[in-house]
Amino acid sequence: QIQLVQSGPELKKPGESVKISCKASGYTFTDYAMHWVKQAPGKGLKWMGWINTYTGKPTYADDFKGRFVFSLEASASTANLQISNLKNEDTATYFCARRSGYRYYFDYWGQGVMVTVSS
Amino acid sequence: EIVLTQSPTTIAASPGEKVTITCRASSSVSYMYWYQQKPGASPKPWIYDTSKLASGVPNRFSGSGSGTSYSLTINTMETEDAATYYCQQWSSTLTFGSGTKLEIK
Repeated sequence: QIQLVQSGPELKKPGESVKISCKASGYTFTDYAMHWVKQAPGKGLKWMGWINTYTGKPTYADDFKGRFVFSLEASASTANLQISNLKNEDTATYFCARRSGYRYYFDYWGQGVMVTVSS
Repeated sequence: EIVLTQSPTTIAASPGEKVTITCRASSSVSYMYWYQQKPGASPKPWIYDTSKLASGVPNRFSGSGSGTSYSLTINTMETEDAATYYCQQWSSTLTFGSGTKLEIK
């Protein structure tokens, strides 16, 4: 069965970096784009961007340019999100989500990773 | 950026009641997508291409709309439908609505 399994919760201080992973299984990893979605505590969903799992090319939403990096370990069917110079407002749950082929929505989601930034 | 405005923000419905959630786009979009999210869980695809039910979604749910106005309807509310529902468009830069929290009365 198709699964996206994300890494565990993170507690970081402002200014530190964090790298979270999303391991896909049950399908051909390079056939489907991987997206990232942020959800701050008690808030709605915010699209961060996506990575082409075939070419490795990332695309970032405007609010996520600069400190955010999408990367792949394609041999391990894993997508990564790295956030540098963490700020308090980065405290959120981060989801990876698979785009449904050529349709314009996400058909599988990871369980989410809670990142807490606190001094 | 296309802004999606959902209404109501919160709604309480009794079992058996009909529920409609609307999503208005600031510009015309081709399709609307809906997700269901329960506390502590990841969003689940619920309706795609405006009116198609995702796998496993009960047929008491339906979606409709065009242009700038879309809706999700539950024909007869059940307790398991209590959740937050988000609309999403990708006609231009992908955006989500702010969510509608559906509670049981």
